Amino acid sequence: KAGVTQTPRYLIKTRGQQVTLSCSPISGHRSVSWYQQTPGQGLQFLFEYFSETQRNKGNFPGRFSGRQFSNSRSEMNVSTLELGDSALYLCASSSGLREQYFGPGTRLTVT
Amino acid sequence: AQKITQTQPGMFVQEKEAVTLDCTYDTSDQSYGLFWYKQPSSGEMIFLIYQGSYDEQNATEGRYSLNFQKARKSANLVISASQLGDSAMYFCAMREGTGTASKLTFGTGTRLQVTL
Repeated sequence: KAGVTQTPRYLIKTRGQQVTLSCSPISGHRSVSWYQQTPGQGLQFLFEYFSETQRNKGNFPGRFSGRQFSNSRSEMNVSTLELGDSALYLCASSSGLREQYFGPGTRLTVT
Repeated sequence: AQKITQTQPGMFVQEKEAVTLDCTYDTSDQSYGLFWYKQPSSGEMIFLIYQGSYDEQNATEGRYSLNFQKARKSANLVISASQLGDSAMYFCAMREGTGTASKLTFGTGTRLQVTL
């Protein structure tokens, strides 16, 4: 079974631009969560989607948004990028409470 | 207050020795889950082991075992027979509550270095 895939792996953007990151969960997993990892703040929960519905949201500004498609693939969007948005963005999928598998991450650099 | 506390920023262990990485947690929920992940320099978070709050036995997965002490709210990871490839950051995380929410709260991590 293929693992969680994320595209692109690396991205460089300029302040003020917007970006869309993609995540394909493990086949059969309906829950997709997103996390931001920075050296200063560590790993922080962004949001979770289940069956195309946002089920939980972390404490991030409205510039961060996401969605999930009927095939469980998910995208997250960050508008009006700021330097502080530079981070590793990790996506995780699960089929139950006892597991959560992460993808390789997208490393975003904002200049 | 920190929900997940990892007090060891860095640890060294010799190859083939066992090592314990500490994790304490804080929750008022009766049902919760504790996870350990390994993050090599590549960045990917690798799932190692899970312990549910109602699990009667400590979790084990190959060389990884979880020393779960519920009353003390600790969930330490034990790695037996360390290998050079175990050098990485290790994160403890908690899922609170029941239902199907998948929000994890992470600790700050412990950097493990395995030496010859």
